[in-house]
Amino acid sequence: SQQGEEDPQALSIQEGENATMNCSYKTSINNLQWYRQNSGRGLVHLILIRSNEREKHSGRLRVTLDTSKKSSSLLITASRAADTASYFCATAPNRDDKIIFGKGTRLHILP
Amino acid sequence: IAGITQAPTSQILAAGRRMTLRCTQDMRHNAMYWYRQDLGLGLRLIHYSNTAGTTGKGEVPDGYSVSRANTDDFPLTLASAVPSQTSVYFCASSDSGGPQYFGPGTRLTVL
Repeated sequence: SQQGEEDPQALSIQEGENATMNCSYKTSINNLQWYRQNSGRGLVHLILIRSNEREKHSGRLRVTLDTSKKSSSLLITASRAADTASYFCATAPNRDDKIIFGKGTRLHILP
Repeated sequence: IAGITQAPTSQILAAGRRMTLRCTQDMRHNAMYWYRQDLGLGLRLIHYSNTAGTTGKGEVPDGYSVSRANTDDFPLTLASAVPSQTSVYFCASSDSGGPQYFGPGTRLTVL
């Protein structure tokens, strides 16, 4: 059962530009998480935003959450070649430990 | 051991054979998970365990079984492998409600 869906499915930008990825979900959530996956590797947790938070920052990452629209965005500023990866949002519908992943956005940073 | 490990890294298996994928974490996380990742389908939860001694079914549990005899280990068994189980398998662990930490994955091919 798909909860979060990322948009776009794929994104190519020039190095130095900002990259924005969006995630929409269907039901109420306890928190929403963003993960990064480099090719052939496991997922790495980037940031967790709780349902009562609207914005969170971590280094060059900025995540927003709009629970009224059931959507979140991940902004990567001043992109670098090393940011090339797939990015997944994952939603926790309640305090239950199980989270549901979207299908991801493939981000390609062009030199 | 630092973090979460999986074994084997990759495996080619004949259909009908039994296979156990191993997962071990040293972070004392209470929750552990098994996912499969297929192109175009994202990550799908197979089984999970909220604490040692308990397990639960995820989105795609058929053909798989798990056990959680202790906090650290969470093996995934394919009793009789079929070609549709060809996939990349990821194990993850977390504290309740927290971010998940992923292993490096096992690439399984069933012929």
